[in-house]
Amino acid sequence: QSVLTQPPSSSGTPGQRVTISCSGSSSNIGSNYVYWYQQVPGTAPKLLSYRNDQWPSGVPDRFSGSKSVTSASLAISGLRSEDEADYYCAAWDDSLSGWVFGGGTKLTVL
Amino acid sequence: QVQLQQWGAGQLKPSETLSLTCAVYGGSFSGYYWNWIRQPPGKGLEWIGEINHSGSTNYNPSLKSRVTISVDTSKNQFSLKLNSVTAADTAVYYCARDFRYIGMDVWGQGTTVTVSS
Repeated sequence: QSVLTQPPSSSGTPGQRVTISCSGSSSNIGSNYVYWYQQVPGTAPKLLSYRNDQWPSGVPDRFSGSKSVTSASLAISGLRSEDEADYYCAAWDDSLSGWVFGGGTKLTVL
Repeated sequence: QVQLQQWGAGQLKPSETLSLTCAVYGGSFSGYYWNWIRQPPGKGLEWIGEINHSGSTNYNPSLKSRVTISVDTSKNQFSLKLNSVTAADTAVYYCARDFRYIGMDVWGQGTTVTVSS
């Protein structure tokens, strides 16, 4: 059971907009930044977003993020086949003094 | 370009100690937190713990009694030891660099560890 809650799966067709949610609590998302990681199966995770809505260079501007109280979301617009991957949210948890991850959302591009 | 290269034993028997090392190439060792994360087959990511260049550590409370993370600044390396392993510790283990408020921006290639009698 992950500390952060994500839907296990999501899907969309090319060009569509999809959103992945991440729910936490006051000790993690409620008081710290949210990070998103993208993982293509068989490879190491890749940092997709930091500080809720900041993006490392190279991440397309089709990706956007938001945070509200104890929840966060990742949105992908203009969905492309290369976006098919697993997406994980993460945050520092003050009660656990450590990082917590969501269970991951498998995004399928139909 | 910073790279993390990790290595360690991939096959263990129950009750043995898992030992992995991660080397940092092409970048500074100080100013960052160095993490271990694992991923059981078909499952999500689980944070194991972290250490900074001065040896300050944080551990996942669920693993704390069995985990030791150490650092060798002379070699730009950090290591993970997990004792008394069971089949539940079978996973791909990753090392990663964390620059506070930037996230884990550099990852190792992953090491598959299988615990089986």
